[in-house]
Order: sequence, then structure tokens, then C-alpha cells
Amino acid sequence: DVKVTQSSRYLVKRTGEKVFLECVQDMDHENMFWYRQDPGLGLRLIYFSYDVKMKEKGDIPEGYSVSREKKERFSLILESASTNQTSMYLCASSATSGSTDTQYFGPGTRLTVL
Amino acid sequence: GQQLNQSPQSMFIQEGEDVSMNCTSSSIFNTWLWYKQDPGEGPVLLIALYKAGELTSNGRLTAQFGITRKGSFLNISASIPSDVGIYFCAGRPTGGFKTIFGAGTRLFVKA
Repeated sequence: DVKVTQSSRYLVKRTGEKVFLECVQDMDHENMFWYRQDPGLGLRLIYFSYDVKMKEKGDIPEGYSVSREKKERFSLILESASTNQTSMYLCASSATSGSTDTQYFGPGTRLTVL
Repeated sequence: GQQLNQSPQSMFIQEGEDVSMNCTSSSIFNTWLWYKQDPGEGPVLLIALYKAGELTSNGRLTAQFGITRKGSFLNISASIPSDVGIYFCAGRPTGGFKTIFGAGTRLFVKA
């Protein structure tokens, strides 16, 4: 079974703090993704990575950065957290296999920025 | 950008009823996926479809990859209370790298 884990289920931070969200997958997947999920807005892609040390901006990268130093780990960084970054953050991974791209999700991190 | 239209937005049904939800796109997709998300959890993959016309079942769930490659449906038969959650469709358009997600169908089941 594919397993994607996220470092925290719930996180409360203050405005201006630097926040690290960690994601680890154990299936040797090449691709990893960070999404945020907000009511009425669905899943929005923040960043993705298709290889170690590679990263690509998604649809809403502003205010975020990422790091992929190892294949199994993809970190999302909020350099200076703001209240509008309060959200559910979901990490996903997938294998590169022809034209398929079945993403497997972690349990999510619910971040509250006060 | 490319979008998926998922309908209905929400459904209120009685336990034991069958359910059908739909996803359509304006462009051709290579892959259709259906996920379920329980409250406070990440989406869990239910069914993956890779060929036009493909019909796949997973227990009480059945999904089909539309023959035109522009849509997919998910059916749930004999619903039970634990079917409650948000169901997302997702797809990968031809020539595209990113997976596109629908807005979700929120299912409520009354016992």
C-alpha cells in the first residue's frame, strides 16, 4: 500500500512565524505535490516536484516555497505565515508511468495562523 | 485554465438508496480518478480509470470513463451511513502534466 505521511495533523502558528510542513512517501514516487484546500475553492496546487531538487510552481505559489532534498521527502515552507494561509494542506505523491498520474494523498495538516 | 464540472454539489439521501454523481470537462482526458474524503482527512483513491469506455467496480462503487473521454460518472449502490463524505473526481488532460480536480460532491446519508 502507498503510504504518504505528513508531520502534523494540526498546527497553530502566529502571524510572521516561519512554518515547515513535512511530507514523506514510502513508494519511491518521483512526483510530489502540495495542495491547499479551502471551503468552496476545492484543491489548489501550490507547488510540485518531479525529481529531487526540482520544483515547479503550481497555481498559487505566492507566500510559499518548497524543498526536495531527498526523493521521499517534500517540504512546504511558509516564510512568514499570514492569517490568509489558514487552511488544510494536503501532500500527494505519484509515480511517473506513461500517461497515468494517480496521486495518493496524505492525511492533511490543518494549519491555523493567528 | 482547464476545469472539471462536478455535479451535484451536494446530495441528501436515505440509507439504502443508490447514488450517482458526474464529472465533465471541455477537453479530452487520459485519466479519470475518483477520491473520497472523510472530514478532517486526506482524499483516498477509490477508483482509477485509464481507457475510454472502461467500467470498473470497487465493492458497491462503480465508475466509468466516458467514451468521448470528456466525462466520468461514479455510482454508489445501497448507500450506508459511512458513505458520508466528499467525493472528488480528478483527471489528467491529454498533453498535460497536472491533474485537475473537481470541486467535489458532498454526500449526506440519513439512517
